[in-house]
Amino acid sequence: EVQLLESGGGLVQPGGSQRLSCEASGFTFRSYAMSWVRQTPGKGLEWVSSISGSADTTYYSDSVEGRFTISRDISKNTVYLQMNSLRVEDTAIYYCAKLPNSGAYASYFDYWGQGTLVTVSS
Amino acid sequence: DIQMTQSPSTLSASVGDRVTITCRASQSISDWLAWYQQKPGKAPKLLIYKASSLESGVPSRFSGSGSGTEFTLTISSLQPDDFATYYCQQYNNYLRRFGPGTRVEIK
Repeated sequence: EVQLLESGGGLVQPGGSQRLSCEASGFTFRSYAMSWVRQTPGKGLEWVSSISGSADTTYYSDSVEGRFTISRDISKNTVYLQMNSLRVEDTAIYYCAKLPNSGAYASYFDYWGQGTLVTVSS
Repeated sequence: DIQMTQSPSTLSASVGDRVTITCRASQSISDWLAWYQQKPGKAPKLLIYKASSLESGVPSRFSGSGSGTEFTLTISSLQPDDFATYYCQQYNNYLRRFGPGTRVEIK
């Protein structure tokens, strides 16, 4: 059974940093691309970033490019999202999601974690 | 940048009703479209991919159709477990935008 368990959310001040983690199990981690998707009441679901199975390719939405970094540790079956220069508008539930293939360019998401809430506020 | 719209935004229906939700893309996305179901406090769940392919384990009362810019999700006979919000998502390019959602509520 595929399981994705996010952690690392919490309250952070504007301009601050936060690192999210997503521990995966139930599938061959290195064979699948992974993504982060966030959700807010106002903007709905928004894709944030993706990383290929081999970790050699990453993609970012325009809204986080240059501030967020996605990475993965195959030895720990974990994908990370390092978030820097956080803004109030980054407040959201952040979901870790698995892609059905190893490439990260364009795909849907076949499994999702339960999400972790990040609140950016002073 | 491809924009996605959905209609209606809210739909009131009864158990047993046939329900259709429409998703439109601002430009052609071929059949690179997925549908998700989300219940309050839960993560989205994949229902349909490639416009009409049913994800494993999803009941056959769910079906998807369409190509190009217009797509539909149909629930042939609405069940109590189906009251939720439904989202479409394009994956024609890496920006993979979601639609704003359609809430299906009890009439």
